[in-house]
Parts: sequence; C-alpha cells; structure tokens
Amino acid sequence: QVQLVQSGAEVKKPGASVKVSCKASGYTFTSYDINWVRQATGQGLEWMGWMNPNSGNTGYAQKFQGRVTMTRNTFISTAYMELSSLRSEDTAVYYCARGGSYSKLDYWGQGTLVTVSS
Amino acid sequence: SYELTQPPSVSVSPGQTASITCSGDKLGDKYACWYQQKPGQSPVLVIYQDNKRPSGIPERFSGSNSGNTATLTINGTQAMDDADYYCQTWDSSTVVFGTGTKVTVL
Repeated sequence: QVQLVQSGAEVKKPGASVKVSCKASGYTFTSYDINWVRQATGQGLEWMGWMNPNSGNTGYAQKFQGRVTMTRNTFISTAYMELSSLRSEDTAVYYCARGGSYSKLDYWGQGTLVTVSS
Repeated sequence: SYELTQPPSVSVSPGQTASITCSGDKLGDKYACWYQQKPGQSPVLVIYQDNKRPSGIPERFSGSNSGNTATLTINGTQAMDDADYYCQTWDSSTVVFGTGTKVTVL
C-alpha cells in the first residue's frame, strides 16, 4: 500500500533552517510528484510547492520563493523540504502529499510539527 | 492570485444532507477536489475530478462543479463525518486550497 512517512518533530530558533523528509513506499517514487503543504494550528491548508522526483524539477508558491528548497534522493525514495530563515509564523505542521492525475493529492504523510521559538 | 471561498461552518442533523460550497472564478472550467480532515489527522481525499470517489470513500459523498461553484454533498450524514472539509484546484501551475468548512453533525 502507498505510504508516505515523514521525519519527526523539530524545534528551531528564529533565523535557522529546517529540513523535513518524506519517505515513499508502495509505488514507483519517480512516477508521481511530491507536494508540500503546511497548516498552522487552527488554520487552513497552505500549499508550498511541488517537486517531480524523476527530473528534480520544482515549482514553489510565490510566498516561499527564495526560502524553500525541495529535493529528493531517488535511491532511497525520499523527498525533502528545506525552509530557511525561519520565523515564528512558520510554526506549523508540514505535510508531504503525492500528486496524482487531475491535480489531486491522493496520499498524505502523517505530518511533521515544526516549532520556531527563541 | 486565484482564491477559493467556502462557508466557515455548516451544521447538519444525523441522517440529513450536508452541502458545502466552494466558489472561485470560472471554477467549473477546472477540476475540483475535496479533502476531509479530522482533528489531529492528515487530510484525506474524498472527491477528485469534480465527482469521482477514491476507493474506500463511502457512496454518501458526492461532488459537482459548474460555473463558479463546486459542491460537496454528504447524503445521510453520520457522526463520523464531523470534520473540516477543504476544496482544492489547480491554477497557473499552483495548487489552491479553499478556506475550509467545519461540518458539525448535531
């Protein structure tokens, strides 16, 4: 069965960077895009960007341009999302999600809580 | 940038029908998806391509999309359907989520 397993919770200081991983299993990793979505406590879903694991091509939401980097390691079927220059407003649960046909996000990771606090 | 607007909340009695709207400019020209999210859990896809249900999603969930509005309908609502619901589409190479609707089953 398709699974996306994310790395554990992180606590970071303002100005630092965080890198979250998302390990895929149960399907061919290079055949589907990986999207990243975040959700602050009590707030809605916010899309951050996508990555094509086959080509490495990426597309980022304008809000995160210059601060986010999405990469992958195809040998271990793992996608990464790195967010830099963290501020308190970046405190949120970060999800990876597989991008299927017709722009649906059909499988989601369990989420990674990133807390930014001095 | 493209925006999708949902009502903040919808209340429904068990066994009744809940309808959640999602409004966006010419949304009917795009594909719409819907996600269900329960507290402390990851979102779950319940409708894609306007009206298709993934395997495992109950038949009581249905969707439509026309004009400027997509609609998620839950027939015979059950207590387990109490959750947040988000619509989603794709515009100019960007995923766009709706503002979210809290469905309360009273």
